[in-house]
This record gives sequence, structure tokens and C-alpha cells, in this order.
Amino acid sequence: EVQLVQSGAEVKKPGESLRVSCKGSGYRFTNYWIIWVRQMPGKGLEWMGRIDPGDSFTTYSPSFQGHVTISADKSITAAYLQWSSLQASDSAMYYCARLRRSEHDILTGLYPLDGFDIWGQGTMVTVSS
Amino acid sequence: QSALTQPASVSGSPGQSITISCTGASSDFGSHHLVSWFQQHPGKAPKLMIYEDSERPSGVFSRFSGSKSGNTASLTISGLQADDEADYYCCSYADGWVFGGGTKLTVL
Repeated sequence: EVQLVQSGAEVKKPGESLRVSCKGSGYRFTNYWIIWVRQMPGKGLEWMGRIDPGDSFTTYSPSFQGHVTISADKSITAAYLQWSSLQASDSAMYYCARLRRSEHDILTGLYPLDGFDIWGQGTMVTVSS
Repeated sequence: QSALTQPASVSGSPGQSITISCTGASSDFGSHHLVSWFQQHPGKAPKLMIYEDSERPSGVFSRFSGSKSGNTASLTISGLQADDEADYYCCSYADGWVFGGGTKLTVL
């Protein structure tokens, strides 16, 4: 079964650091980009950034650039989202997801940039003093 | 990044059809930017319902269809069922991915 499994809920204090994980299984991890999405309580989805697990190349939304770091360890098929200094405003649900690719896309090296087909279950992060 | 505008809410009765719109802010949204749609039930992760404007992933019912005309993409759900009640988000890529604000579908 193709799946992304995220680490469990976290409760942290402002200023603390945190790393959330997203482990892929059931597919070739390096063939698909992983994205991270934030959903604040009662609000919509926000794209944070993406990583190519094959070479760890990342791009970030301007809204999150400099505040979070996305990384990956292809040897254990895991992607990560981390903060060095959490703020109360970081309290939210965080999802990882896989960018869809067809077999043809993989063979030809294309990334369609459209459609996240597999999602993790989400990691709830609560930051409170 | 371009903004995607969705109605905050739509509603319909079981068996009816509804359409959720997603309007792009930039003039080239229609011609260059593929749109996908996601369904999210409360407390659950989003689920891909439509990609490439109108394609359905395997396992998604044919009651769900997508289209795009000019600057507006649309998700149509026919034969509404109680389980369709959820939040729906459109998404497109324009120098990074952008989600619409989401539409709450209520099945009356």
C-alpha cells in the first residue's frame, strides 16, 4: 500500500525547536516530490514548500521562507519539516503529501506540478506557554 | 502568487447537482495553470478528487467532474449524497502552489 505516515502530535513551548517527520512506503520515494501544507484551526490549506527527495532540492512559499526548513533522508524514505524557534502562531495541523506523477512522467523525467495524490494523516502542533 | 477565489459555502439537497467555482486572479490562469480539487471531511486529511482540470483519480466516483473556462475552474457534484458534505479546495501552480480559500458544502 502506498502511504505517507507522519509523526505524532506535539505540544511545545514558544522558542523550542521541533522536527515533524513524514515516512513514505509502498513506492519509490525518490521518484516523487513531497510537499508540506499548513492548516490553522478552522482555516484553509496553505502550501509551505516542497522537496525532491532524490537530491533534497527545496523551494518554499514566500510566506514560510526562513521560518521553516524542509529536508529529506532518502535512505530511510522520510521527509521532515522543522522549526528552530516555534511561535504560538505555528499552532496548526501540518500535512505532508506526494505530488502525483504518471509512469510516463517518471520515464520522461516530467513533473506535472498538479495534484497531490497521497497525503499523510497530519501532525497537530500546539505551541503554548 | 495568484489568488484563487471560491465561494465560502454552497448547499444542495440529496440527488441534486451543485457546482463550486474557483476563479484565478491572473489573466493567464485559464490557459497555463492546471487546477486540481480536494475534498476534506472534518478531522481528516484532504483527498484528491480532480487533477489536470478534469481528470479523476482511480477510485473517485464519476459523480465528481471538473472543468475550466477562461479564468474560472469548476467542480460539479451530481447526485448529491450525505457523505459529500465536506470542505472543497481548488489548487493551482503559479511559481508555487496556491489553494483557494475553501468551500463548505452542506447537504440539506
